[in-house]
Amino acid sequence: EPEVTQTPSHQVTQMGQEVILRCVPISNHLYFYWYRQILGQKVEFLVSFYNNEISEKSEIFDDQFSVERPDGSNFTLKIRSTKLEDSAMYFCASIMGLAGTGELFFGEGSRLTVL
Amino acid sequence: AQKVTQAQTEISVVEKEDVTLDCVYETRDTTYYLFWYKQPPSGELVFLIRRNSFDEQNEISGRYSWNFQKSTSSFNFTITASQVVDSAVYFCALSEVTGYSTLTFGKGTMLLVSP
Repeated sequence: EPEVTQTPSHQVTQMGQEVILRCVPISNHLYFYWYRQILGQKVEFLVSFYNNEISEKSEIFDDQFSVERPDGSNFTLKIRSTKLEDSAMYFCASIMGLAGTGELFFGEGSRLTVL
Repeated sequence: AQKVTQAQTEISVVEKEDVTLDCVYETRDTTYYLFWYKQPPSGELVFLIRRNSFDEQNEISGRYSWNFQKSTSSFNFTITASQVVDSAVYFCALSEVTGYSTLTFGKGTMLLVSP
């Protein structure tokens, strides 16, 4: 079964450092997302990406965050200068069309710990 | 704005008991999608079901069943004859049909099934 893969599975970083989380969406999918889950809390939408540009973003997705699809397969989330409150599980997701046209597949998550 | 409420924070049952997880949602859209995801202790998000707002037929999949009541804006999830492997956090989520299909998640219900 096709799957969304994320790396690293866990990253520990110092406050103020830049972090890049990587995702390989399913190959024929067109819409890509990042979600965040602070430990013990609900999953929150960060950003959606379509046709090589951000299509929608939440209030959480401020100037410290950026996304990129540098090639035909990878989809990255960059946090420029990490803060303690960025510690969370970050989920990448992809879907072929919009929600009505198929299943949204989530990766297994990248746990970010900011010290 | 969309909102998903899972009032049950944690439920504990003994194996073989039936358990129902509640989900109440709010949306101004007339067409939307509802989802349930399972998050086992390993952390990944496992898709369980997607339901179109036009389809109020209840659905059964093995030990899982879902009761969608548009009149009360509820989409409840029942596990019959629970098993220890069902122990997880279960999230209900709502997605618009227009736009970029962002998911709005509830806070989740932690289900603990003991032997």
